[in-house]
Amino acid sequence: NAGVTQTPKFQVLKTGQSMTLQCAQDMNHNSMYWYRQDPGMGLRLIYYSASEGTTDKGEVPNGYNVSRLNKREFSLRLESAAPSQTSVYFCASSETGSGETQYFGPGTRLLVL
Amino acid sequence: AQRVTQPEKLLSVFKGAPVELKCNYSYSGSPELFWYVQYSRQRLQLLLRHISRESIKGFTADLNKGETSFHLKKPFAQEEDSAMYYCALGTGTASKLTFGTGTRLQVTL
Repeated sequence: NAGVTQTPKFQVLKTGQSMTLQCAQDMNHNSMYWYRQDPGMGLRLIYYSASEGTTDKGEVPNGYNVSRLNKREFSLRLESAAPSQTSVYFCASSETGSGETQYFGPGTRLLVL
Repeated sequence: AQRVTQPEKLLSVFKGAPVELKCNYSYSGSPELFWYVQYSRQRLQLLLRHISRESIKGFTADLNKGETSFHLKKPFAQEEDSAMYYCALGTGTASKLTFGTGTRLQVTL
């Protein structure tokens, strides 16, 4: 039982390049989330998926797209990376509903030059 | 809009001293409050949530709706408590979380 896994662990991109961050969970959770963590700003929600087949914007969605491929997988895509997207990205999942514990992945460190 | 404020970036205490990590929130609805912790080289994990009213690793937190606070307390700090602590506010049916900026707790001998 790996919990929430993320790939890659670290990535360097040039401005304008695109990439997809992968996230998968093996806990049969319905809800999944993408956050970014920047120094002094805590974690901010980018997108979330309350259930398979649905996605919705969070606090900072600009410059990102997501796909809930199936119940297990939730990917985050940067179509044209910008230096402002340099950050640590965390994926999380929860069973469903309010008040539920979120389980986090190990994070992906992204550097955009 | 909801907001979570953790006023201290760093809190340094001696081993055996009491600890209080402050958290204040702003939300017009019924709040769900959590404390998450990130130990060195580990992933972010739940420490406790107000709805459970439980004590984890000696930590407790009481929701004070009048003061809109959810401070984290422990009577006697241990070295292994050194970590980054985040207060989070849950809103809506999808468990969306708004995080504070975090407080680094440093417990020294």
